[in-house]
Amino acid sequence: GAGVSQSPSNKVTEKGKDVELRCDPISGHTALYWYRQRLGQGLEFLIYFQGNSAPDKSGLPSDRFSAERTGESVSTLTIQRTQQEDSAVYLCASSLFGGTQYFGPGTRLTVL
Amino acid sequence: KQEVTQIPAALSVPEGENLVLNCSFTDSAIYNLQWFRQDPGKGLTSLLLIQSSQREQTSGRLNASLDKSSGRSTLYIAASQPGDSATYLCAVGSNTGKLIFGQGTTLQVKP
Repeated sequence: GAGVSQSPSNKVTEKGKDVELRCDPISGHTALYWYRQRLGQGLEFLIYFQGNSAPDKSGLPSDRFSAERTGESVSTLTIQRTQQEDSAVYLCASSLFGGTQYFGPGTRLTVL
Repeated sequence: KQEVTQIPAALSVPEGENLVLNCSFTDSAIYNLQWFRQDPGKGLTSLLLIQSSQREQTSGRLNASLDKSSGRSTLYIAASQPGDSATYLCAVGSNTGKLIFGQGTTLQVKP
């Protein structure tokens, strides 16, 4: 595809449920990033992948959050036992190493 | 810990004005700096990327400068248009590619 795609675009879930968010990066981009943006706040880094390894997981807020990437392609961010404070827009970006990061449209997660 | 600050938080100007958005960062050991725009309800659009060895980058009516030693970057927008109305985000990149974002400057350009 021409750009980074994310699915679903919107997700509403009940507190305590698990959710999976998907990111398809730009073809050929070796680096992939997850960020989140809570309402009225700035973007927070969550995790970085180079290939299918994650050398920087420093932004994951708790052990309820995990992510994986298959090869240099799709990544999935999983949030277990969701809490209301997890409500946010989750953004994915991809790049060549050290290059411009291109962002997807985001997944808006609402935890009731 | 890297911190990024953007001033002003909001700016309203009449169409046609030239304007400057400011970004400051606390740790000068950066890998690169990137400027984005964010339109309401939408994702981020990359505007300019400046590598740490560069002083400025230009794209059309946009010019971004970088002064690592003083921990500052500016985004200059020439001849502003209503379509430039958006939130502008400055983000500092580490050698892992991780971006630390400022809170943004919300720009309104009035016709």
